[in-house]
Amino acid sequence: DTEVTQTPKHLVMGMTNKKSLKCEQHMGHRAMYWYKQKAKKPPELMFVYSYEKLSINESVPSRFSPECPNSSLLNLHLHALQPEDSALYLCASSQGGGVIQPQHFGDGTRLSIL
Amino acid sequence: LAKTTQPISMDSYEGQEVNITCSHNNIATNDYITWYQQFPSQGPRFIIQGYKTKVTNEVASLFIPADRKSSTLSLPRVSLSDTAVYYCLVGDFNNAGNMLTFGGGTRLMVKP
Repeated sequence: DTEVTQTPKHLVMGMTNKKSLKCEQHMGHRAMYWYKQKAKKPPELMFVYSYEKLSINESVPSRFSPECPNSSLLNLHLHALQPEDSALYLCASSQGGGVIQPQHFGDGTRLSIL
Repeated sequence: LAKTTQPISMDSYEGQEVNITCSHNNIATNDYITWYQQFPSQGPRFIIQGYKTKVTNEVASLFIPADRKSSTLSLPRVSLSDTAVYYCLVGDFNNAGNMLTFGGGTRLMVKP
């Protein structure tokens, strides 16, 4: 079991659907991250939130929209995705706002776009 | 940016010590070295982090030579459950994107 909880574990959606991925941590961490990972590839950073403010957006298409309602929650809103967006989406958190500190990852949401 | 280079894959046998080396020739003064382990269909797990010399915890050791241009993750007496991908990351507080860039990783296969 991980200390970062992601829901749902699996998601299948059509290209016209709107869905959201959720991530929750209760370790008091103030930095939270979204990564995308394709099969047999390393995780790729998408977004970083520090103290609930978006601090890094790695040129992610607007069909991905992050939201950090509070320090424990991180959402990723999905709309009009493409088949190439099928991947494992990982959420992570780290203590304080410093990225030098180890990140704690959830086990991801496996997303399939039909 | 401090780019990292690791072997793509390694094979070992149960009970052996495994050493995975990461090259980071242009590591900066403020950079730390961090290693993660990832099993299939799971998120990466922090293993160890260091700045210089040697760091040891309950699962691994990290050896960093004086020039810091490389580092070696040492896993003592591996078991089948150590079969995973191991990632080396290099970066500092002031360059968030760098620390958060995963390299290709090393796929370790432990055989009986």
